[in-house]
Amino acid sequence: QKEVEQNSGPLSVPEGAIASLNCTYSDRVSQSFFWYRQYSGKSPELIMSIYSNGDKEDGRFTAQLNKASQYVSLLIRDSQPSDSATYLCAVNPIKAAGNKLTFGGGTRVLVKP
Amino acid sequence: DTEVTQTPKHLVMGMTNKKSLKCEQHMGHRAMYWYKQKAKKPPELMFVYSYEKLSINESVPSRFSPECPNSSLLNLHLHALQPEDSALYLCASSQGREENYGYTFGSGTRLTVV
Repeated sequence: QKEVEQNSGPLSVPEGAIASLNCTYSDRVSQSFFWYRQYSGKSPELIMSIYSNGDKEDGRFTAQLNKASQYVSLLIRDSQPSDSATYLCAVNPIKAAGNKLTFGGGTRVLVKP
Repeated sequence: DTEVTQTPKHLVMGMTNKKSLKCEQHMGHRAMYWYKQKAKKPPELMFVYSYEKLSINESVPSRFSPECPNSSLLNLHLHALQPEDSALYLCASSQGREENYGYTFGSGTRLTVV
């Protein structure tokens, strides 16, 4: 079982709709969770971080964390063509290992005008 | 300054060459990282420097040699690479070694080994 799993997509959404991305992780003691956006040929850009169960909103983005079920999700509201990218879920799996992020395989999102 | 700067942006090298990748940040971050990313794959951790000391080496071949001259600089020395080492090499930094800090990535060096 991979440490961090995502559906590779592509997730195709019409412009203005909500894109919903999911990520599951295997290590129950994981403490911190991040979503990165990566455009083709570019480096990852941090868009959200979440540490506690529940929802965290930042602009059009909402991250949701459920530690009991070991999943973290990202909602993108009012999706725009500029949101078309690969979204990487990253987890810090073990507290003792320090700040060592493990990335999921990424979900490719296509927003169609 | 909220950037991580990597040079060069592109590098083509032969299998007998020696080259270095450079990374610099002036955000006062005390942890720096090297990741390798192949096409359509997620970044894979190579090395972690925390407070200028190597804290994690993910069993990377010795043809890759990291160096952290000071808290702002991180180098990756390359020697006798193989074509399969061609990839995007990403440098990142974070405020510290604690797990609550996300990374800031540089723009990467796209390496081609011929």
